Amino acid sequence: NAGVMQNPRHLVRRRGQEARLRCSPMKGHSHVYWYRQLPEEGLKFMVYLQKENIIDESGMPKERFSAEFPKEGPSILRIQQVVRGDSAAYFCASSPDPAGKSEQYFGPGTRLTVT
Amino acid sequence: AQRVTQPEKLLSVFKGAPVELKCNYSYSGSPELFWYVQYSRQRLQLLLRHISRESIKGFTADLNKGETSFHLKKPFAQEEDSAMYYCALSGSGNQFYFGTGTSLTVIP
Repeated sequence: NAGVMQNPRHLVRRRGQEARLRCSPMKGHSHVYWYRQLPEEGLKFMVYLQKENIIDESGMPKERFSAEFPKEGPSILRIQQVVRGDSAAYFCASSPDPAGKSEQYFGPGTRLTVT
Repeated sequence: AQRVTQPEKLLSVFKGAPVELKCNYSYSGSPELFWYVQYSRQRLQLLLRHISRESIKGFTADLNKGETSFHLKKPFAQEEDSAMYYCALSGSGNQFYFGTGTSLTVIP
């Protein structure tokens, strides 16, 4: 089991472009979480998904951000029309059960830089 | 509102000395508390959770509901304990709240 995979590891986008961040959970895990870490801050919950369903997106900005976890393929965090303030490390975690019931396994993160 | 506070950004201790990383929380219910650790160039990983009452790598943490704290302790710090430590809380909802982290350096 290769663990949670995230790609790309580093992503540079100009203001106004779109950023697509991918997360492949561990085999057998159907619960995926996305977190954002701004400089000098802790991890902030963004969204929790199960296969084909968004369960909780209360931590995600209402505009420009969206997430999906299709039946086949990785989970995608999409940021449209990126701004400088979106520059951050984005982490994905997966678990076989909902948060709190079992351990979350983290990916290495994607570092997004908006120029 | 749920909050996790780690008041120390940086903490340095000498090898062999006791170490305590502080974590306070606010939650209007029965939370589950966790400590996650990130060693240099490695991924964030679970260190321990209060519900299991385990001692991992010599670390323990006791949930004190009266003081709303979940401090992480180790009686004798080792150099390999140098890492970033995050306290986290899971409540009745689906969210998982992390503190801002404490960077621990164990001085040889």
